[in-house]
Amino acid sequence: DIQMTQSPASLSASLEEIVTITCQASQDIGNYLSWYQQKPGKSPHLLIHGATSLADGVPSRFSGSGSGTQYSLKINRLQVEDTGIYYCLQYYSAPRTFGGGTKLELK
Amino acid sequence: QVQLKESGPGLVQPSQTLSLTCTVSGFSLTSSSVHWVRQPPGKGLEWVGAIWNGGSTDYNSALKSRLSISRDTSKSQVFLKMNSLQTEDTAIYFCTRWLVAWGQGTLVTVSS
Repeated sequence: DIQMTQSPASLSASLEEIVTITCQASQDIGNYLSWYQQKPGKSPHLLIHGATSLADGVPSRFSGSGSGTQYSLKINRLQVEDTGIYYCLQYYSAPRTFGGGTKLELK
Repeated sequence: QVQLKESGPGLVQPSQTLSLTCTVSGFSLTSSSVHWVRQPPGKGLEWVGAIWNGGSTDYNSALKSRLSISRDTSKSQVFLKMNSLQTEDTAIYFCTRWLVAWGQGTLVTVSS
């Protein structure tokens, strides 16, 4: 199985700050990488697919980058509504695997 | 529009079998995959398994021996069955189309 190591586990940042979350895969996943945001009591919401493609309706301050085994989610100019838990997911092969999550809070 | 809704018993006794149903609308099961993902209270997401548009299945390696996913395309329903339940299986269970559109989830508590 492919292991996804996500960091940091938690993050506190100020409004308008730039935030970066990373995921490292245990093998090359060929950009088959998605990012999700989850709010308390809600289902996960797709932000990025294919490592870099923004999902429909997602603000342009979110962006994804990376290749091979290393991937990042960047949030430019952090907003109040961006707090929550972020997860990466590899869909290069079955079984699919999620990263451990990053809890993002406002400072 | 695409909708998914999970249903199930809520409470299951240890060692018993869990049966969940995901009822979908707005798309065909023969043209989309449906995945199950679970989340223990206060913890992260865990991919459970999937049934692909052609009807084949894939499962989480750790759950494979206890798990079965099937579907009834005429009723637009996907089924999850997991046997020998333990307290560690207590979680919110989500079904999702292509891991893009998600149901609201259903809480399953394993307790006597």
